[in-house]
Amino acid sequence: NAGVMQNPRHLVRRRGQEARLRCSPMKGHSHVYWYRQLPEEGLKFMVYLQKENIIDESGMPKERFSAEFPKEGPSILRIQQVVRGDSAAYFCASSTRQGTNEKLFFGSGTQLSVL
Amino acid sequence: GDSVTQMEGPVTLSEEAFLTINCTYTATGYPSLFWYVQYPGEGLQLLLKATKADDKGSNKGFEATYRKETTSFHLEKGSVQVSDSAVYFCALNALTGGGNKLTFGTGTQLKVEL
Repeated sequence: NAGVMQNPRHLVRRRGQEARLRCSPMKGHSHVYWYRQLPEEGLKFMVYLQKENIIDESGMPKERFSAEFPKEGPSILRIQQVVRGDSAAYFCASSTRQGTNEKLFFGSGTQLSVL
Repeated sequence: GDSVTQMEGPVTLSEEAFLTINCTYTATGYPSLFWYVQYPGEGLQLLLKATKADDKGSNKGFEATYRKETTSFHLEKGSVQVSDSAVYFCALNALTGGGNKLTFGTGTQLKVEL
């Protein structure tokens, strides 16, 4: 019973490069959430997706960040032209259906370091 | 906006000691409140939750009571074990717009020693 799988666990990029973070939700889950944890801060909501749809992206930075959850394959969080301020832990969570207080299952996170 | 404040760590206790991790929140309306736990190398797991005032969430010996009058949701356990060593996150769901858009605190690391 695999949980939420995120890869890579650690990602190092130089300024200006692109970062791609992957999240495979739990089997049977069609709802994915991305959260970011900056140093010394709590997890902050970024985006909520269902298969092929972005439901809520109110927490996404306006530029350089995008997310997708295709019909087949993992959800991808893409950061273009990374800057040092993007260094953070990025967590993905999934749930079975939409609804308030639906139980979320989290991955172990991807630690992004920008040199 | 919504926010969660929890005590800074690390908190270091001896086995069988009493644990309290303080959590207070700011939110409009009546949010649902949660405690998540992250064991080393793993993802966050839901530990307990409470959805209305005076509700008590409990699981694995941990408890927290939703106190609307003090806007608090403190986590307690009567006797901690070494296996409880982890990072604990307090969170709320403001219940606006549907979905599970949680607001988290910064996390409190707990270390339990023999």
